[in-house]
Amino acid sequence: DGGITQSPKYLFRKEGQNVTLSCEQNLNHDAMYWYRQDPGQGLRLIYYSQIVNDFQKGDIAEGYSVSREKKESFPLTVTSAQKNPTAFYLCASSSFGLAETQYFGPGTRLLVL
Amino acid sequence: AQTVTQSQPEMSVQEAETVTLSCTYDTSESDYYLFWYKQPPSRQMILVIRQEAYKQQNATENRFSVNFQKAAKSFSLKISDSQLGDAAMYFCAYRSPSNDYKLSFGAGTTVTVRA
Repeated sequence: DGGITQSPKYLFRKEGQNVTLSCEQNLNHDAMYWYRQDPGQGLRLIYYSQIVNDFQKGDIAEGYSVSREKKESFPLTVTSAQKNPTAFYLCASSSFGLAETQYFGPGTRLLVL
Repeated sequence: AQTVTQSQPEMSVQEAETVTLSCTYDTSESDYYLFWYKQPPSRQMILVIRQEAYKQQNATENRFSVNFQKAAKSFSLKISDSQLGDAAMYFCAYRSPSNDYKLSFGAGTTVTVRA
């Protein structure tokens, strides 16, 4: 089935540790996005990529890094520089264009030990 | 980033009744898209309905419809014949070509359906 997968579903990070969240899509979408959602709040854009080997910072990129080596994959690394990483992380993808709908993965819940 | 405002943090509706969620946005552009997404307790974001700014006719998807007022920059969502499965957080979102087609989201409205 076509869709977006994120893993793991839950992730625990120790102080000073980098962790990587996986996002894979088989929808043949050009654009991929990472959002952060804090309790009771809307989605804030971390990074996005419109083409392989290229990506741009969103509104809250500090403490995060990404790569886009394959069209299907857009992993997000939460670095030790991110002092408040506890949140729900959503990955999304879409074809490129104004009318295109963004589809979302099921999310990863990141908790700090 | 574009500003999208959802002024109702929470709304409650009786089963089978109608509820309307408000959304306003700030833009100087003429061509853009507006979306309503639903996030149920599973936290999976699901597209509910979308509207192109150049279309005067309001979009409708089954029990969901919008009231798009372009001059007022308003985009409300009406849920008719509310069902228990409609209980979720609803997000309004804006997209324009001048911003790399990125989505700007409102803070969300939590809808509770009373049986």
